[in-house]
Amino acid sequence: GAGVSQSPRYKVAKRGQDVALRCDPISGHVSLFWYQQALGQGPEFLTYFQNEAQLDKSGLPSDRFFAERPEGSVSTLKIQRTQQEDSAVYLCASSQTGGRGNEQFFGPGTRLTVL
Amino acid sequence: GQQLNQSPQSMFIQEGEDVSMNCTSSSIFNTWLWYKQDPGEGPVLLIALYKAGELTSNGRLTAQFGITRKDSFLNISASIPSDVGIYFCAGDNFNKFYFGSGTKLNVKP
Repeated sequence: GAGVSQSPRYKVAKRGQDVALRCDPISGHVSLFWYQQALGQGPEFLTYFQNEAQLDKSGLPSDRFFAERPEGSVSTLKIQRTQQEDSAVYLCASSQTGGRGNEQFFGPGTRLTVL
Repeated sequence: GQQLNQSPQSMFIQEGEDVSMNCTSSSIFNTWLWYKQDPGEGPVLLIALYKAGELTSNGRLTAQFGITRKDSFLNISASIPSDVGIYFCAGDNFNKFYFGSGTKLNVKP
C-alpha cells in the first residue's frame, strides 16, 4: 500500500481482556517500530524490529505486552490482561533502513480504550 | 529514559505571523526530526536533520540541528490556517526515537 496501515482504528476492551493490534508497514521497509501515545503526550518507544528480528524491546511496559513480526512484514502488538492504564493510541511506524536516512513513516494509530 | 523539553506548549498566533518552537535535551542525538500530527492521525515527518549545525528548509519551514547536538528549533514563516496542529520534535539514537511533548499551534484567520 501507499502508507502504513493499522487495524483496528479503535478498540474498546474490558479490563482483563487480551487485545491484538495489527500493523502493515510500507512494502519493502526493513524496520518497524511500535509506540504508545498517551493523551496530550508525545509518542513513547515500545519496541523495534529489523526484518523479523526484534532488536529492542526495552520500551515495553510490562510482560503483558508482546510484539511479533514473524515474516518480516506485518507486525502484531498483543496486550494480555489489559488494564486501564493501557488506554492510549498505539502507533506503528516503518522505515526503509535501520541506519542513516531512517525517516520513520507513521500509521494512523489504534486508539485503545480499556474500561 | 531520555527527556526532550519542547517549548512552548501551545501558541495562539494570527495568520501571516512567523512561529518559532524549540526542543532541548540533556543527551546528544545523532538525528533530529520534526513531525506534525493532526487529530486522529499519526505524526507526519516535516524535516530531518543529520548533522550538527545543519540548517534545512522545506517550503515555509526551516529547522536547525544545534551545534551541541542537544537542541533543535523549527520556524514556520507566514503561517496559514492549515498549519494548525501539534508539532513534535524527536531525537534519534541508534533507532530509538525520543519525542518531545509537543507544541500545539493555533492559527487565527
